[in-house]
Amino acid sequence: QSALTQPASVSGSPGQSITISCTGTSSDVGGYNYVSWYQQHPGKAPKLMIYNVNNRPSGVSNRFSGSKSGNTASLTISGLQAEDEADYYCSSYTSSGVYVFGSGTEVPVL
Amino acid sequence: QVQLVESGGGVVQPGRSLRLSCAASGFTFSNFGMHWVRQAPGKGLEWVAVISNGGTIKYYADSVKGRFTISRDNSKNTLYLQMNSLRVEDTAMYYCAKEHGDYEGFDYWGQGTLVTVSS
Repeated sequence: QSALTQPASVSGSPGQSITISCTGTSSDVGGYNYVSWYQQHPGKAPKLMIYNVNNRPSGVSNRFSGSKSGNTASLTISGLQAEDEADYYCSSYTSSGVYVFGSGTEVPVL
Repeated sequence: QVQLVESGGGVVQPGRSLRLSCAASGFTFSNFGMHWVRQAPGKGLEWVAVISNGGTIKYYADSVKGRFTISRDNSKNTLYLQMNSLRVEDTAMYYCAKEHGDYEGFDYWGQGTLVTVSS
């Protein structure tokens, strides 16, 4: 149950697009379309942003999109805004029946 | 509206036990799997355990297997986490979370309850 690998930090300026990667194995990210992404502001509970690789829950901005290629999933934030400054985590269902989170990515908006 | 409210956290000595509760409202509790997720101070999220909607299927992270037990009472709309043989490294904010759908991530989270294991 090793954590999925995410970059520690990905920065961008307002209006830019950024992409956060999430690398696992064929037993988790690569084996299932059950990758989800969470946004967490300091001191707050996480918020679901993407589920099943590329689906947005109701109420989540369409500036957030997800994709997957092989064992790596990605979250793209388009038109970066100050309110997007937060930590982002990916998660995946695994072949063992358990779940695993990514190591987390800090997104500062410069 | 969906609400998840955790309780039961506190300061406990290593080796002791604690039971967390999560009171759910605003949705049909018995229709959804439920999870516990924790976050150590200044660290990332760590998945802890899942229980199926009917309570018959349970899975645990290796780090808590054999020490923690997840359970639910659908008549009371409440999720539990019994934590035994607590270790310093179990110190964390513990969140309960509702499944969006089978395997589909966690769409609602509680505000968390803090567990501190310290002598």
